[in-house]
Amino acid sequence: AQSVTQLDSHVSVSEGTPVLLRCNYSSSYSPSLFWYVQHPNKGLQLLLKYTSAATLVKGINGFEAEFKKSETSFHLTKPSAHMSDAAEYFCVVSDQAGTASKLTFGTGTRLQVTL
Amino acid sequence: DGGITQSPKYLFRKEGQNVTLSCEQNLNHDAMYWYRQDPGQGLRLIYYSQIVNDFQKGDIAEGYSVSREKKESFPLTVTSAQKNPTAFYLCASSIVRGQGTDTQYFGPGTRLTVL
Repeated sequence: AQSVTQLDSHVSVSEGTPVLLRCNYSSSYSPSLFWYVQHPNKGLQLLLKYTSAATLVKGINGFEAEFKKSETSFHLTKPSAHMSDAAEYFCVVSDQAGTASKLTFGTGTRLQVTL
Repeated sequence: DGGITQSPKYLFRKEGQNVTLSCEQNLNHDAMYWYRQDPGQGLRLIYYSQIVNDFQKGDIAEGYSVSREKKESFPLTVTSAQKNPTAFYLCASSIVRGQGTDTQYFGPGTRLTVL
């Protein structure tokens, strides 16, 4: 069985400072891992995806994540936060169910960005 | 303009009524999914479909039904048997391949409130 733990339910940073959102996963397979972002009352937008290629994955809007197998972690980072980054972020691990992907979601981390 | 559309954006229902949520995609994806999102929780899978006229139960299928008569459409019916239907409902779609995990793309969601 696969699972995802997002270690912080809420993170607050000042604009212009680094962002770190932490995620640990458990999977019986060689996992695919994702980060999605959700703004209030909106659908989810894909930030980035890891699929066993390079361990450092670059995404949209300056975000990146590093896959560390030894630590079973996939933390999301950004060097400098912007006000528009304020949103809910979900770490997701995938499994295969037949030929369709089944995703397991973390409970989310709400990022607050202050002036 | 390719994407996933969900309608309506907001939906109100009286207790004991069935209600159907619409999901349409023009991405030519084979697989479609329905998720439920509750405050403070990650998304939970209700149903998914890999191909027309076929679908499988997800983790919380009780009280819901779906159909997949067309590749582009995957409507979800919330029946009166669903004990706590107030939630945010998200539809997603993805390519289906023999190996590997494919990214799921999400619609904007429908917020259902039972009065």
